[in-house]
Amino acid sequence: GIQVEQSPPDLILQEGANSTLRCNFSDSVNNLQWFHQNPWGQLINLFYIPSGTKQNGRLSATTVATERYSLLYISSSQTTDSGVYFCAASGGSYIPTFGRGTSLIVHP
Amino acid sequence: SQTIHQWPATLVQPVGSPLSLECTVEGTSNPNLYWYRQAAGRGLQLLFYSVGIGQISSEVPQNLSASRPQDRQFILSSKKLLLSDSGFYLCACSWKGGSYGYTFGSGTRLTVV
Repeated sequence: GIQVEQSPPDLILQEGANSTLRCNFSDSVNNLQWFHQNPWGQLINLFYIPSGTKQNGRLSATTVATERYSLLYISSSQTTDSGVYFCAASGGSYIPTFGRGTSLIVHP
Repeated sequence: SQTIHQWPATLVQPVGSPLSLECTVEGTSNPNLYWYRQAAGRGLQLLFYSVGIGQISSEVPQNLSASRPQDRQFILSSKKLLLSDSGFYLCACSWKGGSYGYTFGSGTRLTVV
């Protein structure tokens, strides 16, 4: 199956800073999602982005399917952005493989 | 849009007791349904998935079972809990077409004592 690697594993920022999270996947995908797991454990769907670029407020994501990576950009970070960010990808199967996540802490 | 209801939010159970966690979906029919477990250290482990009523596939052999008695109902069970069953259990669903990705429930935090 598809292998998914996320980097960095941990990230600490000061409020207002920008950051880029990366997701590499080992094969072509037809589904690529970014999730944010909040401190209460809920996984919130940020982007469904098998290719191209999307933006939602201070967050944006880009997937370059031909080069097998996706990037999540967080601009002007806020303390509420803290949590774990997961990338999940699937190819021929509808079952996604999750990366191990990037743990983000934003200090005030 | 699809909504997943998952309960209870937290559960403390003694070793050897049975378990039943329920997940129901609104806003879609004939979804794919999934049970995940997240242990400390944040990795998400797929336990079971179902493409239809009565159809269950197990990804990892363990002390748990799953059932899908109705189209939008998915149940995770155990006859006798082990300490190692503790964790955060998440139900998820996706549309058959796969065009909109996954949606997760709010999760159940299970502690086996």
